[in-house]
Parts: sequence; structure tokens; C-alpha cells
Amino acid sequence: DSGVTQTPKHLITATGQRVTLRCSPRSGDLSVYWYQQSLDQGLQFLIQYYNGEERAKGNILERFSAQQFPDLHSELNLSSLELGDSALYFCASSATSGETDTQYFGPGTRLTVL
Amino acid sequence: GDSVTQMEGPVTLSEEAFLTINCTYTATGYPSLFWYVQYPGEGLQLLLKATKADDKGSNKGFEATYRKETTSFHLEKGSVQVSDSAVYFCALSAFASGGSYIPTFGRGTSLIVHP
Repeated sequence: DSGVTQTPKHLITATGQRVTLRCSPRSGDLSVYWYQQSLDQGLQFLIQYYNGEERAKGNILERFSAQQFPDLHSELNLSSLELGDSALYFCASSATSGETDTQYFGPGTRLTVL
Repeated sequence: GDSVTQMEGPVTLSEEAFLTINCTYTATGYPSLFWYVQYPGEGLQLLLKATKADDKGSNKGFEATYRKETTSFHLEKGSVQVSDSAVYFCALSAFASGGSYIPTFGRGTSLIVHP
């Protein structure tokens, strides 16, 4: 158990809908990362928050947004969903935002868009 | 941009065989390098890391050496077990603008170990 929790485990929705994925980092960790894992794209870094502020941005679509709250939990919002958004979404946390930080991954949320 | 290339899988071995999973990277500057492992139905977990050239990371019998001259970070284990069956990801963390570090992962290599 990494100490990172993600809810829900599974989410099934329709095209055009909007969903919110939630992540609670390990106790004491200030950074939260979001990733998308799909068969064709592999593991893609989406975005990182550090202590409530956006720190780094990867391949995140404009339809997607995230935020980190004062209690350090984070939410990833996916809107105008398309079939291609079906994937496993991972959250990870680390103590700081340094280069050598170990990231601790949650179990993931599997999103299916029908 | 930065990239990580891993050998295609699956890699299929018999128990006690020697394992090598190749990983090469492209990055500006001197990134930190990582190997993560993903067991079925779970998230990734760190296996080992190396933060500068010629560093060797090791854990649970796995080893990898940071080779700047060949931009490689190959994963090795002398004797694999059935319990090592998993997907292995090579990754780097490189400095980006604004004081941040961007993680980049390879596509993963599936390892299957038969008794």
C-alpha cells in the first residue's frame, strides 16, 4: 500500500459528459502528479501541483483541468469526454517537487467512455 | 523533447535466468533516472534510481547503472523469480522551465517468468 488513495476505482460514462477523479496524497507529501495510461500512448504525464499551485504541465488537453486544495488532496476534471479518453488515470505524490523525489502511485481510476 | 525508449516486450524467461531490459534516453542536461515496476492491478512503485553519471541503483537483486556516454540505464537481475513477473518502466526526471522537473516514462516492458 503506497498510502495514496484514488476514488473512484472505476467510472463508466458517456461521450460528452464530465467527470471528476479524486486523489489523496501520502501524509506529508506536498506534490501531486496526474498521469494517463493507455495501451496506445503508454504512461503520459499530465500535470503536477505542489502545495496548492500548478508546478509543471505535460500533455494535458484543454478539456482537462486539475486543482490541489488546501488539505493537499487533488481533483482531475475531465470534460466533453471522448471515446479516446478511456484509460487508467493514476495519481502519484512525492514529498517535495525535486528532481530526485520518489513518486508514490495510487491504484488508479479506470475510466470507460461509451 | 525528452524521451525514454525501452525494449519491446514481452520478455519471457524461465525461473533463475538472467534478465536484461534495455533503456536509453534523450534529454537536455543531466536527468535523474528511475526504474518503476507495476504488478497486475496495481499502481507503479519505485524499484531503483540513480541521480548522476556512473551511479548504480540497486534493490531486491535488480541493478542499473547510469551511463552518460551511452545515455542508457539498463535493468539487470542475475536470477529472476516467478514473482518478478510484472511490467517495468524506465523513467527520467529532467529540469524544465520555471524551476520544475518533468517526468517522462518509457512505454513499459512486460516480463513473464515461467517456473
